[in-house]
Amino acid sequence: QSALTQPASVSGSPGQSITISCTGTSSDVGGYNYVSWYQQHPGKAPKLMIYDVSNRPSGVSNRFSGSKSGNTASLTISGLQAEDEADYYCSSYTSSSLWVFGGGTKLTVL
Amino acid sequence: QVQLQESGPGLVKPSETLSLTCTVSGYSISSGYYWGWVRQPPGKGLEWIGSIYHTGSTYYNPSLKSRVTISVDTSKNQFSLKLSSVTAADTAVFYCARVRTGVGDYWGQGTLVTVSS
Repeated sequence: QSALTQPASVSGSPGQSITISCTGTSSDVGGYNYVSWYQQHPGKAPKLMIYDVSNRPSGVSNRFSGSKSGNTASLTISGLQAEDEADYYCSSYTSSSLWVFGGGTKLTVL
Repeated sequence: QVQLQESGPGLVKPSETLSLTCTVSGYSISSGYYWGWVRQPPGKGLEWIGSIYHTGSTYYNPSLKSRVTISVDTSKNQFSLKLSSVTAADTAVFYCARVRTGVGDYWGQGTLVTVSS
C-alpha cells in the first residue's frame, strides 16, 4: 500500500485560487469515488473538508471544491484567505478495503 | 454532536506494547460506521493504522498488521489500539476517528505517545 502523491508545497496570494493534486492508482483514487480531503492546522486534528470526491460537509466554505480525473484528484481553494494556510491531506478508499493518505501539502498564503 | 477522546500512557518503553483507548460520545458505536486509528509522527504526514466495525471486523494497514490489534467494547462505547514491539519510530500523535469507506468525519484531538527508555 503506497501513499498517494501530493506536492510538498503550494502558495498563493489572498483572493487567488490554488489547486492541490493527489495522484494514486486504479486501485484507489481511480477506482472509487471515495476521495476525501483534510485541513490540518499546527497542533490540531485533521478536519474533513471534502468527501466522496466533491462533497462538502456542513459548515465548510464553498470556496473549497474537489474533483477527480482518472487516477488524480484535486482540491481547489478559491478566494484564498489567510486562515486557509495549513497542511492539506488527501485520502482514498482502496481495493483491499483499506484507507490510504497522501503525503500532505503545505499551503502558504503569501 | 459526535465526540471522540483518546486516552492512554504518553510514554512507552522500547519493545513494549502501546495501548490506547478512544471513548466515543454523542453516537453509539453499535449504530454503525467503522472506527479507526491514524498516527502522525512529529513533522510528518498521516498514516492509517487500522479500523474496526462494531461487530469486531477489522482491517489493518499491511505495513503494521503483524503488530496491531484493534478491539471494540460496545458496552463502554469505546474502541482500543494495541501496538506491540514499539521502537522510537512509533513515536507519534495518535488520532481516533469515525470512518466509512475511507472518510474520517469525526476525529479526536490526538494524543502524543513517545517511545523512549
